[in-house]
Amino acid sequence: GQNIDQPTEMTATEGAIVQINCTYQTSGFNGLFWYQQHAGEAPTFLSYNVLDGLEEKGRFSSFLSRSKGYSYLLLKELQMKDSASYLCATFGNQGGKLIFGQGTELSVKP
Amino acid sequence: DTGVSQDPRHKITKRGQNVTFRCDPISEHNRLYWYRQTLGQGPEFLTYFQNEAQLEKSRLLSDRFSAERPKGSFSTLEIQRTEQGDSAMYLCASTSGTAAFFGQGTRLTVV
Repeated sequence: GQNIDQPTEMTATEGAIVQINCTYQTSGFNGLFWYQQHAGEAPTFLSYNVLDGLEEKGRFSSFLSRSKGYSYLLLKELQMKDSASYLCATFGNQGGKLIFGQGTELSVKP
Repeated sequence: DTGVSQDPRHKITKRGQNVTFRCDPISEHNRLYWYRQTLGQGPEFLTYFQNEAQLEKSRLLSDRFSAERPKGSFSTLEIQRTEQGDSAMYLCASTSGTAAFFGQGTRLTVV
């Protein structure tokens, strides 16, 4: 089966760095996604990791360790507009079904 | 606009009525997903298609829900005899494998 865990909510300060963790269990691994979702809007794609290591894309970076079933999303130089829900997702068995975690609600304070 | 398109954006219906939603995926994407999302939760998987074949359907999905993708392009999701518990955002996403993109969703309110 599949299971994805991430913290329900986090709070951070504008200008700071925050790390959002995600652990997953799946019988077949074919990549891990991170999405950002603002209230009332659809999720928007941030990153896709299929190999171990860190992928950097501007202020956002995503890390994957397949042996540990672990990923994190790192947000640097936080801005108020980064307040949103961050969703971790993986392809499941045989790479077809895409499953999401419950999301981490990030609040950025001044 | 070459992104994923969903129609309608909003639907208000009376309990017991049938509703149908449409999703037009990114043209070169062969996989299409339907999700339901309620406040404070992540997207809940409903079903997915590889081209025109429906490969998996969630066990949480009752027989009132049906989805089609007749020509491997657009897809429809129908809910029959709607109930108040069906009120949610219905999201469609498409992928070629390395990036999955969502439409803007259809917000369903059952009154």
